[in-house]
Amino acid sequence: KAGVTQTPRYLIKTRGQQVTLSCSPISGHRSVSWYQQTPGQGLQFLFEYFSETQRNKGNFPGRFSGRQFSNSRSEMNVSTLELGDSALYLCASSFGGSKDYGYTFGSGTRLTVV
Amino acid sequence: GENVEQHPSTLSVQEGDSAVIKCTYSDSASNYFPWYKQELGKRPQLIIDIRSNVGEKKDQRIAVTLNKTAKHFSLHITETQPEDSAVYFCAAIPGNTGKLIFGQGTTLQVKP
Repeated sequence: KAGVTQTPRYLIKTRGQQVTLSCSPISGHRSVSWYQQTPGQGLQFLFEYFSETQRNKGNFPGRFSGRQFSNSRSEMNVSTLELGDSALYLCASSFGGSKDYGYTFGSGTRLTVV
Repeated sequence: GENVEQHPSTLSVQEGDSAVIKCTYSDSASNYFPWYKQELGKRPQLIIDIRSNVGEKKDQRIAVTLNKTAKHFSLHITETQPEDSAVYFCAAIPGNTGKLIFGQGTTLQVKP
């Protein structure tokens, strides 16, 4: 079966711009989580969506937002980009049931802010 | 708060030796502990996981142990091979939050 698909793979943006990243989960998975990976901070949880509702949220500023569509695809948006937002953004999908934690990660979107 | 500490940050072993990576978590309500392997430029891949009602789990050369009282869990890789070289991350899910709290990662190098 197809894995978790993230697009685009690479992005270069300028400070102050905004960006939208996309994640298509494994078929049948209803939960999509987003993580930021940087060399200094490691892997940090951004938020999780389940059935179009944000179910959990990490400690990131309001410039980071997301949404999920009825087909479980999710998008993440970052507004007013800062240099520190340069990172690998990973999404992970799972069935999302209670205590069902079989998360599969996508290959990520590498965002560079210049 | 929710925190996972991972040690060591780097580990170098000879091919055939064993490797052990240790993690400690802060939230006693954590109930799920996965381990991910991430090769350079690739996505994290789940290699083994353990739930809070189990003390040990094995899958071929890989094993994970969990001590809930001490709030720590460990990854054991036996008979290491060069292809085991990667960054390994432990993680925990606090309570029923569904969010993964990751350790800082361990870079494992297996020398042929």
